[in-house]
Amino acid sequence: DTGVSQNPRHKITKRGQNVTFRCDPISEHNRLYWYRQTLGQGPEFLTYFQNEAQLEKSRLLSDRFSAERPKGSFSTLEIQRTEQGDSAMYLCASSFPTTGNTIYFGEGSWLTVV
Amino acid sequence: KNEVEQSPQNLTAQEGEFITINCSYSVGISALHWLQQHPGGGIVSLFMLSSGKKKHGRLIATINIQEKHSSLHITASHPRDSAVYICAISLGWGSGGSNYKLTFGKGTLLTVNP
Repeated sequence: DTGVSQNPRHKITKRGQNVTFRCDPISEHNRLYWYRQTLGQGPEFLTYFQNEAQLEKSRLLSDRFSAERPKGSFSTLEIQRTEQGDSAMYLCASSFPTTGNTIYFGEGSWLTVV
Repeated sequence: KNEVEQSPQNLTAQEGEFITINCSYSVGISALHWLQQHPGGGIVSLFMLSSGKKKHGRLIATINIQEKHSSLHITASHPRDSAVYICAISLGWGSGGSNYKLTFGKGTLLTVNP
């Protein structure tokens, strides 16, 4: 297993377009988190899944954002009608209780909205 | 006021110097994480602490729960240590994995010159 995988790594899109990011967590990790990070800031929590259930969403996640984890494995984060303020890095992380809740991060997906 | 405050924001050192990065937080926590982020995005977990002190190679992390303060030390710093170091907290134990979502500081940009 090579860790948490995210793709695409970079996405440039025009304002108003939809984008989708995918996260493949470490196998058997039942907890999956999405964070957003803008330049010069620490990451901010967006949403959390335990298996396929989305158990928490931040107020940062507007109606244009939707996340799914349909089979409790990979997850997708879709942004509809992108705005320039959505430009950020979207980070995925996963963890599993018996590994002491150490959190493993992906490399992130950079979004630039032009 | 951010729940997690780091200092300094920027730190420049000469190779071989002993480095300290500080983190203060304002709420009760279950664990504190020190993370490393290199340019380009990927975040690596360095330490997860709930008490005392941990050491890994040239890195040492300490936490004082009563004082709500943690420090990350790097001994014999090297240019390859140049990165952003981020302190993050998780707020609770319990069965809910959302308790493990992280609240991040803004990070400390460390530059170690040869």
